[in-house]
Amino acid sequence: AQKITQTQPGMFVQEKEAVTLDCTYDTSDPSYGLFWYKQPSSGEMIFLIYQGSYDQQNATEGRYSLNFQKARKSANLVISASQLGDSAMYFCAMRPTDSWGKLQFGAGTQVVVTP
Amino acid sequence: GAGVSQSPRYKVAKRGQDVALRCDPISGHVSLFWYQQALGQGPEFLTYFQNEAQLDKSGLPSDRFFAERPEGSVSTLKIQRTQQEDSAVYLCASSSDRVPNEKLFFGSGTQLSVL
Repeated sequence: AQKITQTQPGMFVQEKEAVTLDCTYDTSDPSYGLFWYKQPSSGEMIFLIYQGSYDQQNATEGRYSLNFQKARKSANLVISASQLGDSAMYFCAMRPTDSWGKLQFGAGTQVVVTP
Repeated sequence: GAGVSQSPRYKVAKRGQDVALRCDPISGHVSLFWYQQALGQGPEFLTYFQNEAQLDKSGLPSDRFFAERPEGSVSTLKIQRTQQEDSAVYLCASSSDRVPNEKLFFGSGTQLSVL
């Protein structure tokens, strides 16, 4: 069975600083996908970034980048130049190849950006 | 529509009542997902449709939970004889294509409180 672990329940970060959110996963699947989603207080899950297990390069999407270390089974999210609007819950998720519809989410990390 | 729409936004039910939660996916999206999110946790997969076919219902916690998507667009999640442990946010998501990096678009959820 797959498992996603996010060890940081909450973090404070100052505006304009970078922050790294940790995510480790456990799977025996050779092929899988990793996602990060943001959930503001409004409740909607917003897609941030995707990394495929066979992708050679780390994914980047604007201020978001993914530090993918396959051997360590970690997929940490880096948010550069934090903004007040980045305050939200952040979830790491994995999609196994053989269960395409079934994203498995971690418990999340609450990020609060301070002025 | 512009995004995934869920109704009602909030639902309060007395224990033992039946409830029906509606999801309007993004127009043209063939895949639809239901997730359950307990307070302070990440979403948990419930079920998945491709068009009108329910391809995976392995996450439904009991036979009191039933989901349908009869015409391949709008979906309804029904919970019979609600229990207090059913209290959670129910998230619906849709996606347009079945590829590994396809992101899910989520609605804002229905917050169900069972008293």
